[in-house]
Amino acid sequence: GAVVSQHPSRVICKSGTSVKIECRSLDFQATTMFWYRQFPKKSLMLMATSNEGSKATYEQGVEKDKFLINHASLTLSTLTVTSAHPEDSSFYICSARDLGQGLDNEQFFGPGTRLTVL
Amino acid sequence: GQNIDQPTEMTATEGAIVQINCTYQTSGFNGLFWYQQHAGEAPTFLSYNVLDGLEEKGRFSSFLSRSKGYSYLLLKELQMKDSASYLCAVRSPSGGSYIPTFGRGTSLIVHP
Repeated sequence: GAVVSQHPSRVICKSGTSVKIECRSLDFQATTMFWYRQFPKKSLMLMATSNEGSKATYEQGVEKDKFLINHASLTLSTLTVTSAHPEDSSFYICSARDLGQGLDNEQFFGPGTRLTVL
Repeated sequence: GQNIDQPTEMTATEGAIVQINCTYQTSGFNGLFWYQQHAGEAPTFLSYNVLDGLEEKGRFSSFLSRSKGYSYLLLKELQMKDSASYLCAVRSPSGGSYIPTFGRGTSLIVHP
């Protein structure tokens, strides 16, 4: 299957700092990438849909000024958590869809980034 | 709105068979996915059903009944490594985006 990578896999930062997480599709082009957040023993919650070359679409309740998403190329999307606070500590996962295969296809998930804000 | 319901936790014995159920109420339907997620890792794809019936893939099978809003994942010949969370996700053409909505996941514990 297709491969999606995330970097970093784990990050610890101080409250008030910004953290950037990268999501790359390694062997396919993804015009759309998705960013999820997952708290312990909870489901994946979609934060936003990242569209290459246009603004991201945020889910209700997700602050677009706090979670900045940039999808500059067909293989890279970045999520920046600005002015991070302890409550932002979570597991952030990106996924991508190879639209070259049409809609009837699976999403490929990155390995996730564990963010801990002290 | 979207609502996906699955049991929180299940336990089973190594070598046995376990069935994990998922019921859903969504605005439209465009396919149901099952994913396996080990702790601290990303979900991995297991199966996709869009038509009624049973899809078999090795030790894992997935069933769908669209009229009942119901699916199950069947795991046979359980192994210790099958201990994981199993996520049911339903895709609906909400706003044309076709983005799956995930259930909370079922934590499966396989013991010797």
